[in-house]
Amino acid sequence: QSALTQPASVSGSPGQSITISCTGTSSNVGGYDYVSWYQQHPGKAPKLVISDVYKRPSGVSDRFSGSKSGNTASLTISGLQADDEADYYCNSFTTSSTWVFGGGTKLTVL
Amino acid sequence: EVQLVESGGGLVQPGGSLRLSCAASGFTLSKSWMHWVRQAPGKGLVWVSRINSAGTSTTYADSVKGRFTISRDHAKNTLYLQMNSLRAEDTAVYYCARGDASGTYGVDYWGQGTLVTVSS
Repeated sequence: QSALTQPASVSGSPGQSITISCTGTSSNVGGYDYVSWYQQHPGKAPKLVISDVYKRPSGVSDRFSGSKSGNTASLTISGLQADDEADYYCNSFTTSSTWVFGGGTKLTVL
Repeated sequence: EVQLVESGGGLVQPGGSLRLSCAASGFTLSKSWMHWVRQAPGKGLVWVSRINSAGTSTTYADSVKGRFTISRDHAKNTLYLQMNSLRAEDTAVYYCARGDASGTYGVDYWGQGTLVTVSS
């Protein structure tokens, strides 16, 4: 149950777009369209922003979008805002019927 | 309004046991998959365990398999995590979380977390 691989940090200026990658294997990311993304501000509980690769929950800004190609999933945030600065985690269902998170990516809005 | 409130965390010695509770309101546990997720201080999220809506299927991360048990009480609408043989590396904030009610494999509601510290 190795963690999915995410970049430790990404940054962008207000108004720009950024993309966070999440790389797994055919046993998790590549095997199912069950990748989720979570936003976590310091000291707060995580918040679901994307589920099942590209589905956006009600109330989540359409600036957040998800995609997948092979064993790599991606989260794109367009029109960056100051409040987007947070940690982002990907998560995938696995062939063992378990879930696995990525190591997390710290997004800095410059 | 959906709410999840964890309790039961605290300081425990290595090898000890602790039972975490997660009181749910605003929805019925028996209609939802439920998860436990933990986060060590300053570290990332780690999935721990899941129970299905019927309560007939449970799965665990390898790191806790055989030591932790997830369960729930329908009458009390409460989720539990029994943790035995605790180790220093189990120190973390433990969150209970609800499987997405819309049917995706995401988690749509999280509690505020309860801190477990394993130390002598």
